[in-house]
Parts: sequence; C-alpha cells; structure tokens
Amino acid sequence: EVQLVESGGGLVQPGGSLRLSCTASTFTFNNYWVHWVRQAPGKGLVWVSRISSDGRSNLGYADSVKGRFTISRDNARSTVYLQMNSLRAEDTAVYYCAGGPVNDYWGQGTLVTVSS
Amino acid sequence: QSAPTQPASVSGSPGQSITISCSGTSSDVGAYKYVSWCQQHPGKAPKLMIYDVNNRPSGVSDRFSGSKSGSTASLTISGLQAEDEADYFCFSYTTSDTYVFGTGTKVTVL
Repeated sequence: EVQLVESGGGLVQPGGSLRLSCTASTFTFNNYWVHWVRQAPGKGLVWVSRISSDGRSNLGYADSVKGRFTISRDNARSTVYLQMNSLRAEDTAVYYCAGGPVNDYWGQGTLVTVSS
Repeated sequence: QSAPTQPASVSGSPGQSITISCSGTSSDVGAYKYVSWCQQHPGKAPKLMIYDVNNRPSGVSDRFSGSKSGSTASLTISGLQAEDEADYFCFSYTTSDTYVFGTGTKVTVL
C-alpha cells in the first residue's frame, strides 16, 4: 500500500515562500495524478492544485492560488512539490496531498502558518 | 466556484440509516459522474469512502453507499455505528477543470 508523507510546512511571514513536499513509499505512485488539498483551522476542505502522472500534460490550480503556487513532481524521487509564493494569512492551513488510482491515498498533512 | 451545499449536521441512533446530501450545480455535481465522499475524524486526515458516485475503495464497509440525481449527490450510511461519527465532505470535478469540496456535514451518533 502506498503511504504519503508531507513535509515542508512551518511559520512564514506574509509575502514569504515555502515549498511543500509529498513523498510516496512506493514507485507505483508515479503512475497517479496527485492533488493538494488544504484545511484552515476549524474549516472545511479546499482543493488547491493537481498534477498529472507525467507532471507535464495536466496541471490545475484553484483561483485563490493561481499565479502564486506552482505544482511539480520528480518521479525519480516519488515526490510531488507545491511551491508557495506571496503567501497570505488566508493561506494558513493544514496541507494534505492525495493520490492513487481513485485518490484513495492521503498523507497526514503539514501545517503552514502565515503570520507576522 | 461556490461549494456544493451539505447539511451542517445529521444525527442518528446506532443501527439506523442516515443520508447526507450534496447539492451542487450543473457545473459540478450535475456535470459528471466524478463525485467522491471523504470521512474525516477530528485531528485526522481525510479518508476516501466513495468515488465516482457509487463506488467503494477496497476496505471500505459496504454500509456506505452513494448515489446521484441531477445536481444532488447523496451518501447513505446504513447500520450506523459509533465509529461513523465524523465529518463528511463531498468532492466533485467541475466544468472549469478544477475540483470543489462540499461545505461538510458533521455526523453525530446519538
């Protein structure tokens, strides 16, 4: 079974940048699309971004992050990245990655806090 | 893109059946068969319970079932158990080539 582990979260000032990583335990992960989903404290789930298995043909972003966030992947490392620039207070959330044949694999999340 | 609307809370007694609705539009829930449901216990990661409207991933109890009529999807939990107490979110692909989660429903087992 594939396990996903997110990392890279932390405290950052408004306007700053962070890069999140989502690393899988097996290489079969490379066959799947991967999504990033976030959840602000006490709030619901929000879709953020997705990337196709080859990392080139199909990228997608929510309007709220378009132009500020960039998704990419390195299949040699079984890792998907989310580069987050121009961070705002409203980006504060736990960020989850999800993937698999039916998006049935989820990581435990990494907390991003944007605050001065 | 507005989030599909779910009831804020649904409750039931052990053994009963409950249904959670996810009311969207012709641009999301009503557009494709790509509606999923996630379960989330407090402080835990979401878990996929239903995908493509009415399919269960391996390992998910058959007490969970999904359906869709027009722009409204539904998740039914039969034989309600204490462990089913959690938040539930629907999740849909949209005509804008993006995805959207529903507003979420808290299920309480009385």
